[in-house]
Parts: sequence; C-alpha cells; structure tokens
Amino acid sequence: AQKITQTQPGMFVQEKEAVTLDCTYDTSDPSYGLFWYKQPSSGEMIFLIYQGSYDQQNATEGRYSLNFQKARKSANLVISASQLGDSAMYFCAMREGRYNQGGKLIFGQGTELSVKP
Amino acid sequence: GAGVSQSPSNKVTEKGKDVELRCDPISGHTALYWYRQSLGQGLEFLIYFQGNSAPDKSGLPSDRFSAERTGGSVSTLTIQRTQQEDSAVYLCASSLATGLAGNTIYFGEGSWLTVV
Repeated sequence: AQKITQTQPGMFVQEKEAVTLDCTYDTSDPSYGLFWYKQPSSGEMIFLIYQGSYDQQNATEGRYSLNFQKARKSANLVISASQLGDSAMYFCAMREGRYNQGGKLIFGQGTELSVKP
Repeated sequence: GAGVSQSPSNKVTEKGKDVELRCDPISGHTALYWYRQSLGQGLEFLIYFQGNSAPDKSGLPSDRFSAERTGGSVSTLTIQRTQQEDSAVYLCASSLATGLAGNTIYFGEGSWLTVV
C-alpha cells in the first residue's frame, strides 16, 4: 500500500502568488515525521521543512509552511510569494518512529512546480 | 565534511561491467542511506546503515547489488554485471542516529549512472 501520496504530478503558479502542494500519508505508527524536499533540475535534494506527529503547531520555515491536518493524514506544503527559483520537483516524505523501520524516509512520487513570470 | 559527498558524479559503463559508487556522509552522522531515482520518478529506498551494520537491506533490487560501510563513515554501493535498467541517479544520504523521526536526512548530489 502506498504510504505517501502526492496527487498533483504538475502545478503552475504565477510569480508572487501562493501555492499549495498536496500530500497525504498512511501510517499506524503514532510517532512519525513528515518532510518536504525540493529537487531542482540540478538533481540535489534540498530539505525544506519538517513536521512531527506530536507537534501542536504547523511548521514554518521562511516562505514555506506545512498545513498539517492529522485527522485527515495530510501534510500540504504552502509556498507563499512564489519566486522563479521555486520551479522544481517537490517531494513529500515520511519517517516512522516508534517501530523504527530503519528510520528510512518513504517518498511520494513528487509534484513538479512551475512558476510563471 | 560539510555535506554528503558522493563520487563519481557521473559514470558511464558498459553493460556487464561492475561499478562502485562512493558516499562520504556528514561528519558525526551514524545513519547512512542509499536511494535510487530513475528518470522522472520518486526515490526508491535501497539500504540503510546504522554504524557499520545494515539492518535494512530490503530495497536492494537483486543480489547484483551490495553495499558496505567501514569505520562508521564511508560507504560503497557496488553493482555487479550492470544492466541497462540500472541506469539511474544513486543518492546517498545521512542523518544522526535513527529512532527519532525528527532527525533530518541530508542528501548528496548523487551519482548519475548510465549503462550502455
């Protein structure tokens, strides 16, 4: 069963506007972490933001925020004031904690974001 | 080092040859991961190390793939008798010890393997 689902293969956004990238997850582990990574065309994986399952508040890092809805098992990434340099592939990932399945990240299939000038 | 370092950055090899890919994790990171990413696809987990041991090898696609880690630091991923379907980017990552969901995993820039 797929544990991380990103339903938007591609998204377009106008420069300076906000955009939301969707991510839903599935786990029975009460302890887990959710991550978003950015992968530009150069191929490197850049860590953006992290949300823990027990965190009471939504995570924010600069222009990035994570809309964490635990009951819905969703962890959407919101990018405010989009910039041309935000054009990239974005991956949602989950790491389960308590049962320590090696601590590996499980990735979604990604969403390709294109920012239009 | 400051980041995860991988070598070679690019490798073109003939079908049937063996290749070795190297990863040098961030200093102090005891957990090391190998992932594979085919063109336009997500990341596929291969193996992870905690120290020098590999508790989870579940992602290795066949017995042609193996990996080792020595001194709790550098790791080598070896692909024997390469096939064209092995062509992909091989990404190495490291983090502080596993067991805590919040330990961020940092990636290297990858080794682009092309089998011709």
